[in-house]
Amino acid sequence: KAGVTQTPRYLIKTRGQQVTLSCSPISGHRSVSWYQQTPGQGLQFLFEYFSETQRNKGNFPGRFSGRQFSNSRSEMNVSTLELGDSALYLCASSFQRGGTDTQYFGPGTRLTVL
Amino acid sequence: GESVGLHLPTLSVQEGDNSIINCAYSNSASDYFIWYKQESGKGPQFIIDIRSNMDKRQGQRVTVLLNKTVKHLSLQIAATQPGDSAVYFCAENTGTASKLTFGTGTRLQVTL
Repeated sequence: KAGVTQTPRYLIKTRGQQVTLSCSPISGHRSVSWYQQTPGQGLQFLFEYFSETQRNKGNFPGRFSGRQFSNSRSEMNVSTLELGDSALYLCASSFQRGGTDTQYFGPGTRLTVL
Repeated sequence: GESVGLHLPTLSVQEGDNSIINCAYSNSASDYFIWYKQESGKGPQFIIDIRSNMDKRQGQRVTVLLNKTVKHLSLQIAATQPGDSAVYFCAENTGTASKLTFGTGTRLQVTL
């Protein structure tokens, strides 16, 4: 079974631009969560989607948004990029919602904002 | 490779020795705990998990211990190999959300 895939793997943008990242979960998984990883803040939860609905959101500004499609694929969007948005963005999928349902991560998208 | 963390605590062990990586978690209501391994250029990889109604769980070469009294989690790796070199994160979850809270991570370096 294929793992979680994320595209693109690397992205370079300039301040003020917007960006869209894509995540395809493991086949059959319906829950998708997004995380931001930086050297300073570590891994931080962005949001969770299940059945095309956002179920949870972390402490990030409204510039960070996402959506989930009927096939469980998910996208996240960051508008008006800032230098501090440079990070590794990770997507994780699990079969269903649930605190004890294992989340499996993709390889991430490395975003650099210049 | 990716810079996972510039100032992570580092554990250096010799090949063949056992490794113990520790983690203090914050939420006494957390009921599910996971250890992930992250190699340079990759996303976190699931190693082992444990539910709050257990205090020990074993996998292949790995053991996780949970002490809820002091909110402490540890990962033991037996006969550490060079391929075990990576950053290790503990994560906790609570309730029905798929919302993990991660520790800061520990870099494991295996010397030959």
